[in-house]
Amino acid sequence: DAGVIQSPRHEVTEMGQEVTLRCKPISGHNSLFWYRQTMMRGLELLIYFNNNVPIDDSGMPEDRFSAKMPNASFSTLKIQPSEPRDSAVYFCASSFGFEKSNQPQHFGDGTRLSIL
Amino acid sequence: DAKTTQPNSMESNEEEPVHLPCNHSTISGTDYIHWYRQLPSQGPEYVIHGLTSNVNNRMASLAIAEDRKSSTLILHRATLRDAAVYYCILTRMNSGYSTLTFGKGTMLLVSP
Repeated sequence: DAGVIQSPRHEVTEMGQEVTLRCKPISGHNSLFWYRQTMMRGLELLIYFNNNVPIDDSGMPEDRFSAKMPNASFSTLKIQPSEPRDSAVYFCASSFGFEKSNQPQHFGDGTRLSIL
Repeated sequence: DAKTTQPNSMESNEEEPVHLPCNHSTISGTDYIHWYRQLPSQGPEYVIHGLTSNVNNRMASLAIAEDRKSSTLILHRATLRDAAVYYCILTRMNSGYSTLTFGKGTMLLVSP
């Protein structure tokens, strides 16, 4: 079975450019999560969706960050304009029934983002 | 959310059992105990979870103290591929939804 698929795997771009990260969750999963990992702050939850609806975006650092889930099989995380401090590894995860508190999340391999 | 405390790092030899401890003294009755691990350059990977009783799966065993204030992840025979950061996480329902809050975890080093 295909796991969570993220693209691109690596992204290097210059400050000020728009960055779009993509995620395809596992088929049948109804919850989707975006995380960011840095050495300083560890793994942080940015936003999560349930049944394509954003539930909690309190982890999104600033208005420069936005996330969408137009359908059950696709989500994007956009940064516009990007800044060097946005450099991190961004992970997408999906789950089925996570609202029940005991269902595991399945993570993608992440997108390593470098903003120059 | 209730917090967990784990050692920063542990070392083991290949093919020996490993016991990774986690303290969660403020756990509530409805909190689940989850373990995830993150291998180098990969996303976190679910390992096991439990509520009150000990749990076993193909990857590991989870031993939960009777008062639930601590738990131990047991890898029965460590391999070099088990070298990773192991996270112990409590999940609690908030307004009908629960999330994972990752701490620093325990870095497990496995020697041949």
